[in-house]
Amino acid sequence: AQSVTQPDIHITVSEGASLELRCNYSYGATPYLFWYVQSPGQGLQLLLKYFSGDTLVQGIKGFEAEFKRSQSSFNLRKPSVHWSDAAEYFCAVGVRSSYKLIFGSGTRLLVRP
Amino acid sequence: EPEVTQTPSHQVTQMGQEVILRCVPISNHLYFYWYRQILGQKVEFLVSFYNNEISEKSEIFDDQFSVERPDGSNFTLKIRSTKLEDSAMYFCASNRAGVETQYFGPGTRLLVL
Repeated sequence: AQSVTQPDIHITVSEGASLELRCNYSYGATPYLFWYVQSPGQGLQLLLKYFSGDTLVQGIKGFEAEFKRSQSSFNLRKPSVHWSDAAEYFCAVGVRSSYKLIFGSGTRLLVRP
Repeated sequence: EPEVTQTPSHQVTQMGQEVILRCVPISNHLYFYWYRQILGQKVEFLVSFYNNEISEKSEIFDDQFSVERPDGSNFTLKIRSTKLEDSAMYFCASNRAGVETQYFGPGTRLLVL
């Protein structure tokens, strides 16, 4: 069965530090992969996506993610975190046959001044 | 930029009452979805809808749930007889084609007392 694991429930980083949020997926075929961000009281905003091609994808707000098939991972990175990045981040896999998204449990990012 | 809207933003209801959650997807989108997020848990797929019929539904989407596109713009989720465990944030999403990015609304927080 398809699934997504985000092993870190909370991560705290200092403003200006680098960030990596982990995501591992289980899917039988080549996956569609997404990272969404949710600020308090807001909906889910797409940060970036991977469908095919270049395994390093760039997104909005300076985020990038790398698809590693051998590790079944799609980790999100940012070289320098800003206080406004504090939010909850969700990794998701898109099921090709039905188009539904399967989400991980999310990682809450806290940013220290 | 077009966006998905949802009303109401919050709803409180008594157990056993019917609720209707409303969504206005992006205007040229053809695929519509409902997801829910129980507090502290992951976002879960409920149902997808295309061409005026349900494409797929999850185990959660039992006979108490129904969806409808009553006109050219609204997409609704009805819960006939709410239970305490229906308390959650409900997200609507849409996309033009099934494999494309899903755009999410801000959610409706439902509290069943």
